[in-house]
Amino acid sequence: EAQVTQNPRYLITVTGKKLTVTCSQNMNHEYMSWYRQDPGLGLRQIYYSMNVEVTDKGDVPEGYKVSRKEKRNFPLILESPSPNQTSLYFCASSLQVWNEQFFGPGTRLTVL
Amino acid sequence: DQQVKQNSPSLSVQEGRISILNCDYTNSMFDYFLWYKKYPAEGPTFLISISSIKDKNEDGRFTVFLNKSAKHLSLHIVPSQPGDSAVYFCAAYTGNQFYFGTGTSLTVIP
Repeated sequence: EAQVTQNPRYLITVTGKKLTVTCSQNMNHEYMSWYRQDPGLGLRQIYYSMNVEVTDKGDVPEGYKVSRKEKRNFPLILESPSPNQTSLYFCASSLQVWNEQFFGPGTRLTVL
Repeated sequence: DQQVKQNSPSLSVQEGRISILNCDYTNSMFDYFLWYKKYPAEGPTFLISISSIKDKNEDGRFTVFLNKSAKHLSLHIVPSQPGDSAVYFCAAYTGNQFYFGTGTSLTVIP
């Protein structure tokens, strides 16, 4: 089944404790992206990747890192999480940047 | 600054009638526009898109209209069905980046 998977689905952590949210797609897509969804702000793009080893900042990259060592994986890294990073996070992928994006089920992160 | 805006947080429509969801944008460089639908506890799913060089695109019950001079986008759903009840996001693309609106929650009343 073609899909985008994210893990974990739910995470509660404390300020400053490094964490990684994994994202994997099995559709051989070139373009991958991370978004966060917050009430009243909609979805905002954090980082995106056009292909392996090619990543770039989106609208709200501060406090986040990403890597794209393999085509299928695009982990989101929070080196020192803070409470303002409490949010619902979505990973997405598409064949090319201009195609429709397929979204993962979301990761709800709470930083205390 | 929000480049894509959905000014109606919610909309209720009777089953069988038309639903019209609106979206305004500020950046004239957007290359194309998309609509996504989102159910609770799921990721958004793609619905329909339109290139900036077109003014209308139709797919079954869904039609998207683009008015570039007004920088306005709308999604028409005809006829509306209870299963259409969801949050709808409009999105715009330029420079390898996507910009989403804040969403409109559509409720279709049986």
